[in-house]
Amino acid sequence: AQTVTQSQPEMSVQEAETVTLSCTYDTSENNYYLFWYKQPPSRQMILVIRQEAYKQQNATENRFSVNFQKAAKSFSLKISDSQLGDTAMYFCAFTPLTQGGSEKLVFGKGTKLTVNP
Amino acid sequence: DAGVIQSPRHEVTEMGQEVTLRCKPISGHDYLFWYRQTMMRGLELLIYFNNNVPIDDSGMPEDRFSAKMPNASFSTLKIQPSEPRDSAVYFCASSLTRGPYEQYFGPGTRLTVT
Repeated sequence: AQTVTQSQPEMSVQEAETVTLSCTYDTSENNYYLFWYKQPPSRQMILVIRQEAYKQQNATENRFSVNFQKAAKSFSLKISDSQLGDTAMYFCAFTPLTQGGSEKLVFGKGTKLTVNP
Repeated sequence: DAGVIQSPRHEVTEMGQEVTLRCKPISGHDYLFWYRQTMMRGLELLIYFNNNVPIDDSGMPEDRFSAKMPNASFSTLKIQPSEPRDSAVYFCASSLTRGPYEQYFGPGTRLTVT
């Protein structure tokens, strides 16, 4: 079974500091994509960052970056210079790729991040 | 593109009533997903379609729930009869088989059954 585990139900960080959210996954597939989604209090699900498994280089998007360790099946999210607007639930997700392409995402249970002023 | 559109944004109904949630996916997307989110159970995949055909409905909680996709630009999720435990936020999302592979979510429908 393919699973995604987020071991930190809740985290907090001071504004302007750096925080890392953990995610591990389990799959026998070799080709897949990984994602981090953000869900602020408005409840809109927003894509933060994506990583292709075949790329060794870690993805970055402005203040957001990932540490992708394929052998360890680990995909952590680092938020630098945290801002109050980063307060949200963060979901790690994974989709295997087959010859037919991608189907559904497997989501973790989420990490609730609070950025304190 | 306007993104995934869901209606209504909020729905309050009494137990036993029929509820219909609507979704318009992003034009050209060939996958459509229905999710339910609650505090207790988190984000649950209910059903998904590929090219308007239901692929996996194993997440549909019971026969009171049904979903249809009559064409590529419209889907409905119906609950009949509704119960208080159906209260949740229901999300619709769409994606492309051939990439990019992320799902684009609608704003959700907050359903309250009293």
